[in-house]
Amino acid sequence: DAMVIQNPRYQVTQFGKPVTLSCSQTLNHNVMYWYQQKSSQAPKLLFHYYDKDFNNEADTPDNFQSRRPNTSFCFLDIRSPGLGDAAMYLCATSATGDRETQYFGPGTRLLVL
Amino acid sequence: DQQVKQNSPSLSVQEGRISILNCDYTNSMFDYFLWYKKYPAEGPTFLISISSIKDKNEDGRFTVFLNKSAKHLSLHIVPSQPGDSAVYFCAADDNTDKLIFGTGTRLQVFP
Repeated sequence: DAMVIQNPRYQVTQFGKPVTLSCSQTLNHNVMYWYQQKSSQAPKLLFHYYDKDFNNEADTPDNFQSRRPNTSFCFLDIRSPGLGDAAMYLCATSATGDRETQYFGPGTRLLVL
Repeated sequence: DQQVKQNSPSLSVQEGRISILNCDYTNSMFDYFLWYKKYPAEGPTFLISISSIKDKNEDGRFTVFLNKSAKHLSLHIVPSQPGDSAVYFCAADDNTDKLIFGTGTRLQVFP
């Protein structure tokens, strides 16, 4: 089945230790998104790619970076995680012009010790 | 500044009755609205949507109503089933391929 996969599902890191979250998709969608969701809050868009074109949200901290080496994979790099970065990180994909939906992965829950 | 608001964090409904989930928005540029459903340990999944040129869209047990003048939309589920118990997110799109989400409403349907 076509899907969006996120690994790992749970990630524990130490304060200040770089961490990378990964997302892959078999839908061949050209748009990929990274959201941060904290408890009882709305998913917040961090950035998204149209193909290889990177679009950063104005309020996304510099601590967050992303890479998209090909259509299928997208990575979220947190260079120096702080306690406030503990959250659920959701990856999603969509096809340009398809306003019907974004397809979400199951998320990676990040814990910062 | 929350552009999409879901003011009820939770809702409890008896099986067979109607569930009504509400959503308000502030940005008049939004022209497409979606509802997503999220089970624990899973990502949100698309449920139903509505364009701003419509005031109602129906899909089986799910109906979304849009009141543009009030900047309000609602999701009706009838009849409600225990399997509908989940968190429901309202989202809005201003034709930029980006969605603005609300904070979600946790629906519990009890027997």
